[in-house]
This record gives sequence, structure tokens and C-alpha cells, in this order.
Amino acid sequence: EDQVTQSPEALRLQEGESSSLNCSYTVSGLRGLFWYRQDPGKGPEFLFTLYSAGEEKEKERLKATLTKKESFLHITAPKPEDSATYLCAVQAEPANTDKLIFGTGTRLQVFP
Amino acid sequence: DVKVTQSSRYLVKRTGEKVFLECVQDMDHENMFWYRQDPGLGLRLIYFSYDVKMKEKGDIPEGYSVSREKKERFSLILESASTNQTSMYLCASSWSPGNTIYFGEGSWLTVV
Repeated sequence: EDQVTQSPEALRLQEGESSSLNCSYTVSGLRGLFWYRQDPGKGPEFLFTLYSAGEEKEKERLKATLTKKESFLHITAPKPEDSATYLCAVQAEPANTDKLIFGTGTRLQVFP
Repeated sequence: DVKVTQSSRYLVKRTGEKVFLECVQDMDHENMFWYRQDPGLGLRLIYFSYDVKMKEKGDIPEGYSVSREKKERFSLILESASTNQTSMYLCASSWSPGNTIYFGEGSWLTVV
């Protein structure tokens, strides 16, 4: 069964304290892995898509990486405005549709 | 920018009422989706549509139906609302299989 697991469930960081969020997945074949940011009471906001092992994407203080079994979202020198829930989702082969399988998210809190 | 608009952000309905949740996207996307999001369960796919008048069941279609009469509009219908349908409902859309899925802001539904 296709599955996505995110860890930790919650993470508290001091401003400037770098860390990583993990997304491990089990799928028959990976078509794409997606990272989203979700603020309280709002819909998920797209961050990155990764398609193959070894691929990396960066945006400001965030960097996403992908291996054959997991993805990491690295947060460098985080600021309080980075506080949010970060969601990981995978799209499995065959992908004649866009069905995404979501993890339950990592709730990040960054304190000044 | 892609815009997915959910017309109702907050609704309170009574058990047994028929409920309509409306979603409109402005980017000529082929695919549209309805998810619900519950604490600890993540996002779960209710229904999706890859073309006008076409629909496919997701993982949790029971108690729901959908309508897509126009390409830009996708409606979620709760035929007879029940308290276990209290949740946040998220509409999403994408160009075609394999492309990024963009979400709306969400509709908070409370059934009393």
C-alpha cells in the first residue's frame, strides 16, 4: 500500500537554529514528490516538486532533497514567519490522474 | 498566479441539510479535486474530475457527490449532512496529470 510518513510531528526551533523535516514514502513507483506549506486556517501553498533521486530545489531558507526512499526539507536560519505546518505528498505511478497521497505534516514553530 | 476560489469560508449547517460547496479556478485547469482535512488524518481525497461532466471517486466518497458542468467550476454536495462531516474542505486544481496541484483557501463546515 502506498504510504507517506512525516517526522517529527512537531518541531520547535529558536530563530536561526537550522534543522530538517523528514518525509519517507513507500510507493510502487514515484512520479513526483510535493512539498506544501500550510498556515493555520488556510489552504496548502505549493513549495516544491521533486521528480527523481538526487534532485534538489531551493527557495529562500528552504531546500528540498530527494532520495529513493525519503525527502528532506532543510530549513536554514529559520525566522518566526517560517512557522507553519509543512506537508509532503507523493504522486505514484501509474499516474493517469493527479491523485496525491499526503503525510500528516510537521508543525514547525520558530521562536524569536 | 493561479487562483482557486472557494466561495464559502465558514458554514454552519444542521444535520440532514443538503450542503453545496462551490469552487472556481481561473487557469483553465483540466483537473479539479475535493479533499477533506482532519487533525491526525491529513488530507483525504473525496472526488476528482479530469474533464467536464467527468468524475471519479477518491478514497472517501461515501456521503458526498460532485458536479462539474463547466470546466472552471467544481461543486461538492453533501446530500444529507451528518456531524461526522464536520471538517475543513479543500478544493484544488491542476493543468493535467503530473503537474502541480494548487489549493483554495478551504471551507470550514460545521454540522450541528
